[in-house]
Amino acid sequence: EVQLVQSGAEVKKPGESLKISCKGSGYNFMSYWIGWVRQMPGKGLEWMGIIYPGDSETRYSPSFQGQVIISVDKSISTAYLQWRSLKASDTAIYYCARGTRDGYNSNFDYWGQGTLVTVSS
Amino acid sequence: DIQMTQSPSTLSASVGDRVTITCRASQSISNWLAWYQQKPGKAPRPLIYKVSSLESGVPSRFSGSGSGTEFTLTISSLQPDDFATYYCQQYNSSPGTFGQGTKVEIK
Repeated sequence: EVQLVQSGAEVKKPGESLKISCKGSGYNFMSYWIGWVRQMPGKGLEWMGIIYPGDSETRYSPSFQGQVIISVDKSISTAYLQWRSLKASDTAIYYCARGTRDGYNSNFDYWGQGTLVTVSS
Repeated sequence: DIQMTQSPSTLSASVGDRVTITCRASQSISNWLAWYQQKPGKAPRPLIYKVSSLESGVPSRFSGSGSGTEFTLTISSLQPDDFATYYCQQYNSSPGTFGQGTKVEIK
């Protein structure tokens, strides 16, 4: 069974750093792109970026380029989303999801359960 | 970025109704369009990919159509489990933008 299991909820202060994770299982983790999607409170879905675990090729949305870092540790089948300095506006649920196409332009067929990140002073 | 615009933003309907949601792209996306269903507090559930292909386990009352820039998601007979928010996503080019969502409410 394909599963993406994300790390737990986080409460952080502005300016702090954070790295959340997404562990894949039940499939060949190296062969499928993993994307990250943001959902701010009461809002819609926003495509942040995507990474190919096989060679760590990464694409970012221009809206998120320079704001977050997407990485992967293929030895433990885990993708990461990282911030160096959080802002209150980063408060959101973050989903990881598995891409289906060969390439970074992909729909998503499996989703993690989401990680709630709250940034507040 | 390609902009995706869904209409309506909110839709009130009754069980048994036929429901249609429209998604328009700001430029042609060929047939690279997906639909997702999201319920409160849950992750999105994939429904349809490549305009009209149903994901595994999705009931046949869901269907998708369209090409180029205009697409529709149809629920042929709305069931109680279908009250949710629906999102389209284009994956013709990066970033793979989503529509703003359509909330299907109980009338």
